Amino acid sequence: QAQLVQSGAEVKKPGASVKVSCRASGYTFTGHFMHWVRQAPGQGLEWMGRINPNSGGTDYVQKFQGRVTVTRDTSISTSYMELSRLRSDDTAVYYCARDSHGMDVWGQGTAVTVSS
Amino acid sequence: DIVMTQTPLSLPVTPGEPASISCRSSQSLLYSNGYNFLDWYLQKPGQSPQLLIYLGSNRASGVPDRFSGRGSGTDFTLKISRVEAEDVGIYYCMQALQTPLTFGGGTRVMIK
Repeated sequence: QAQLVQSGAEVKKPGASVKVSCRASGYTFTGHFMHWVRQAPGQGLEWMGRINPNSGGTDYVQKFQGRVTVTRDTSISTSYMELSRLRSDDTAVYYCARDSHGMDVWGQGTAVTVSS
Repeated sequence: DIVMTQTPLSLPVTPGEPASISCRSSQSLLYSNGYNFLDWYLQKPGQSPQLLIYLGSNRASGVPDRFSGRGSGTDFTLKISRVEAEDVGIYYCMQALQTPLTFGGGTRVMIK
C-alpha cells in the first residue's frame, strides 16, 4: 500500500537551513502531487506548498516565498522540502502528504527544532 | 486567501451520542464541476492527520460510515452519528479550491 517515510528529527541554529526528505513507495510517485504541511507546537495545520512530481512545478504559500524550496528526485521517488534562514518560530513538525482526492497518505512527520 | 472558520473550538461528547462540527469558508468552495473542494481531517493524539472526507461529502477509504460530510458553497458540517472513544482528536476542515490551501483552526473532540 502507499506509504511515505520521512527523514529524522533535526536541530538547527537560527539562520541555518534544513532539508527534509519524503520517500514514497507503493504507488506511482509521478502520478500524484505532493504537499508539505507543518504544525508548530500546540498549533494547527499550515500548508506550505506542493510539487507536481511529474513536471517539477511548484506552488508555495506567500509567507514562505524565497525561504522554502520543494524538489523531487523521481529516480528514488523522493520529495524534499528545504527551508532556509530558519527562525525560532519555524520550530514545528513537518509533514509530507500525497494528493489523491484529498491528502490521503501522510508521512510520519519530521520534528525540526530551531534553537541557539 | 480563503479563510476557514470552525466551530466549536472544543466539543465534549458522550460515547454513543451524535456530534457535529461546523466549517465556514470566506469564499464559495463550489467549483463549476459541481464539486465542493472541502476536505475533513482527523488528527488523533500523537499521530499524523488522516483524511476522513473529500470533496465535501465523500468518505475516504476505510472511514467508518458513522462519519458524514454535508454542505455546499460556504457552509459545511461534519457529522458523527454515534461517537466512539477512538474518535477523540482534533478535526480540521481544509479548502482545496485554490492555493494557498488553508485549514480551519481545528475542533478538539473529547470524551465527557
